[in-house]
Amino acid sequence: KAGVTQTPRYLIKTRGQQVTLSCSPISGHRSVSWYQQTPGQGLQFLFEYFSETQRNKGNFPGRFSGRQFSNSRSEMNVSTLELGDSALYLCASWDRAYEQYFGPGTRLTVT
Amino acid sequence: GENVEQHPSTLSVQEGDSAVIKCTYSDSASNYFPWYKQELGKRPQLIIDIRSNVGEKKDQRIAVTLNKTAKHFSLHITETQPEDSAVYFCAASSNDMRFGAGTRLTVKP
Repeated sequence: KAGVTQTPRYLIKTRGQQVTLSCSPISGHRSVSWYQQTPGQGLQFLFEYFSETQRNKGNFPGRFSGRQFSNSRSEMNVSTLELGDSALYLCASWDRAYEQYFGPGTRLTVT
Repeated sequence: GENVEQHPSTLSVQEGDSAVIKCTYSDSASNYFPWYKQELGKRPQLIIDIRSNVGEKKDQRIAVTLNKTAKHFSLHITETQPEDSAVYFCAASSNDMRFGAGTRLTVKP
């Protein structure tokens, strides 16, 4: 099976702009989670989707949002970007066994 | 929510020695405990996992132990090799997956 894919791989934005990141899960996986990875904070849980419904949300401000489509593909959106949003954004997909498989990530740089 | 603590943050061993990384979790409802290896510039890769109904699991040079009563679990790597050098993350899952802060393992040849 093809692995988890994320687009774009790299992104440079300026403060105040918004950004949309995309994640395509492994075929057959209906659950997708998003994480923010920074050198100082490690892997921080953003949110989790299953069958187009957000099941859990981490401790991030409302500027961070997401959604999942009927084909299980997911997007996350960050509005009003801040310098501190610069990070690697990872998505992971899994099936009922809970074994999460990560995508390559999108490296977002906010200037 | 779940809180996962991981120690040590850095670990340096000589090739051939063993390495042990320990994690504790707070949510007694957590029932799935994976370990991920992340090499520089790459995505985290699942290397081994354990579920709450099992106390120990082994896969070649890697083993994981779980103590549900004490709420801690450990990763053991034996006969370490330079290619084991990476950042290792533990995680615990109940309603969602929470990760430890990571351990940077360096194996010196």
